Amino acid sequence: SQTIHQWPATLVQPVGSPLSLECTVEGTSNPNLYWYRQAAGRGLQLLFYSVGIGQISSEVPQNLSASRPQDRQFILSSKKLLLSDSGFYLCAWDLGLGNSPLHFGNGTRLTVT
Amino acid sequence: SQQGEEDPQALSIQEGENATMNCSYKTSINNLQWYRQNSGRGLVHLILIRSNEREKHSGRLRVTLDTSKKSSSLLITASRAADTASYFCATDRWFQGAQKLVFGQGTRLTINP
Repeated sequence: SQTIHQWPATLVQPVGSPLSLECTVEGTSNPNLYWYRQAAGRGLQLLFYSVGIGQISSEVPQNLSASRPQDRQFILSSKKLLLSDSGFYLCAWDLGLGNSPLHFGNGTRLTVT
Repeated sequence: SQQGEEDPQALSIQEGENATMNCSYKTSINNLQWYRQNSGRGLVHLILIRSNEREKHSGRLRVTLDTSKKSSSLLITASRAADTASYFCATDRWFQGAQKLVFGQGTRLTINP
């Protein structure tokens, strides 16, 4: 069966520090991968998605970037964090087929101080 | 911008009662999906209804879709304390092989024992 791992679960970082969040998927090949952010008490906002190794699409201009160095690895990064980067970051995957649901990781709670 | 808007924002009922949550959206859709999120966790896919379907069932869940009114509802029958969670509707738009879900802000459901 497929599983998705996301770490760390929580992270407290000072303003101006770098960021690296990692997500890996097991049990499937060539998945679509996604990064979402959820503000407190709100819905999810799509940040990045990838349909293959090295292919990254950005949905909103921001202080973050994403990379996909391997088929089942997705990384969210920042060179210098802003206070507004605080939030709950969720990685997800799907099979890239119509009508296939998204499968989410358990998220990373990022607090920028 | 948010495509789906859930109503109500919060709902508190007694165990055993039925819970109904509504979702409205603005543009035409391919599918509408419902997800559940336990506090501090990732989202779990509940059900997907296609634009040409009017009703779908899964266990104690019943989803309806009215494309003329651009609305959907999620009914949970015979609620249990374990159903306490936030519920989100999401409309999907496929672009270049990736699924872009646009989420509403969610309904926070509390089941009182």
